[in-house]
Amino acid sequence: QQQVKQSPQSLIVQKGGISIINCAYENTAFDYFPWYQQFPGKGPALLIAIRPDVSEKKEGRFTISFNKSAKQFSLHIMDSQPGDSATYFCAARVRGSNYQLIWGAGTKLIIKP
Amino acid sequence: NAGVTQTPKFQVLKTGQSMTLQCAQDMNHEYMSWYRQDPGMGLRLIHYSVGAGITDQGEVPNGYNVSRSTTEDFPLRLLSAAPSQTSVYFCASSLGVNSPLHFGNGTRLTVT
Repeated sequence: QQQVKQSPQSLIVQKGGISIINCAYENTAFDYFPWYQQFPGKGPALLIAIRPDVSEKKEGRFTISFNKSAKQFSLHIMDSQPGDSATYFCAARVRGSNYQLIWGAGTKLIIKP
Repeated sequence: NAGVTQTPKFQVLKTGQSMTLQCAQDMNHEYMSWYRQDPGMGLRLIHYSVGAGITDQGEVPNGYNVSRSTTEDFPLRLLSAAPSQTSVYFCASSLGVNSPLHFGNGTRLTVT
């Protein structure tokens, strides 16, 4: 079964620190890797996404690093702020499946002031 | 611009009851989908639709029905509720295959 394994389940980081969330996959047919951010009581919202032909993508304080040979990708949040406290989900799309995403289990991030 | 609207926000059912979770979007998105979210399991796709009149099963379709008579609406029906269907349900829509999913704020369902 296609899977995306996300770690850690929960993460506590001091304000100003770097938050790192990792995801690993086995299916080499994935062609799109988004990260979604979810606040309590809300639905997930797209944060940043990457394709496997790119090794890194940066948007403000958020960076995705992609290691195709290791089948891993990670989200880095620089200068973490209390407002970044949320649950983060990685996901992967199977090539040719159009819209269907395989989701990681989520990481609950808490930024301590 | 309301985006994706889900109703109700909360619902308690008894085992065996049926109900419909409503989802509407005002962005003229062709793609709509239903997910359930359970602790430690991420989001799992229940059913999806790529346009009015077209629906298909996702990863966990058993016990749920959908229909898509209009572009805007995509209701999810629980035929005979079971405690295993206790979850938070999210509806999502997308403009196209390379566009992000837009989620509603969810329906928290408890089946006793």
